[in-house]
Amino acid sequence: ETGVTQTPRHLVMGMTNKKSLKCEQHLGHNAMYWYKQSAKKPLELMFVYSLEERVENNSVPSRFSPECPNSSHLFLHLHTLQPEDSALYLCASSQDRASNTEAFFGQGTRLTVV
Amino acid sequence: AQSVTQLDSHVSVSEGTPVLLRCNYSSSYSPSLFWYVQHPNKGLQLLLKYTSAATLVKGINGFEAEFKKSETSFHLTKPSAHMSDAAEYFCVVSDLRLQGGSEKLVFGKGTKLTVNP
Repeated sequence: ETGVTQTPRHLVMGMTNKKSLKCEQHLGHNAMYWYKQSAKKPLELMFVYSLEERVENNSVPSRFSPECPNSSHLFLHLHTLQPEDSALYLCASSQDRASNTEAFFGQGTRLTVV
Repeated sequence: AQSVTQLDSHVSVSEGTPVLLRCNYSSSYSPSLFWYVQHPNKGLQLLLKYTSAATLVKGINGFEAEFKKSETSFHLTKPSAHMSDAAEYFCVVSDLRLQGGSEKLVFGKGTKLTVNP
């Protein structure tokens, strides 16, 4: 148990659906992240929030929309996804964004787009 | 720019034999280096990290890694593999970018470790 909780663990959605992924941490961390893990590809950083402010968006399509209402919660809103968006979506948090600070990961949401 | 190369996508060992998972990195600055493990259907868990202190780093579950600047390597080792070590392992480098001073974690593609009885 890392202290980072993601829900749901599994999600199947059609291309016209709208859904949201939720991430929660009560570790007192100031930075939160969304990563995408696809088969046979390195982890891809999608978004970074620091002190509830989005500080990085790695050219992610607009069909992915993050939201950070407070320092403990992070959402990823999904709409009109494509089958190639099927992947494991991992949330992580860290104390801050210093280079020597490790990230704590949630167990991920396995997303399947049909 | 920093990058990470995990030289083997798949390593297979017998239980009780040593484990070696190789990682080479490139970085413009003094990097921080991490190894993470991911068991099936789980998130990533930190095994160990190097942050410019001792070059030999000990982690959880008997793993250790040695930072060798001259070889730009950070290989992960364990003297004796256990069945529960079967998982995917990721080498990660982090350093400050030139612009903005914000760090970025760069992940290797992962090495899948199989432990045979």
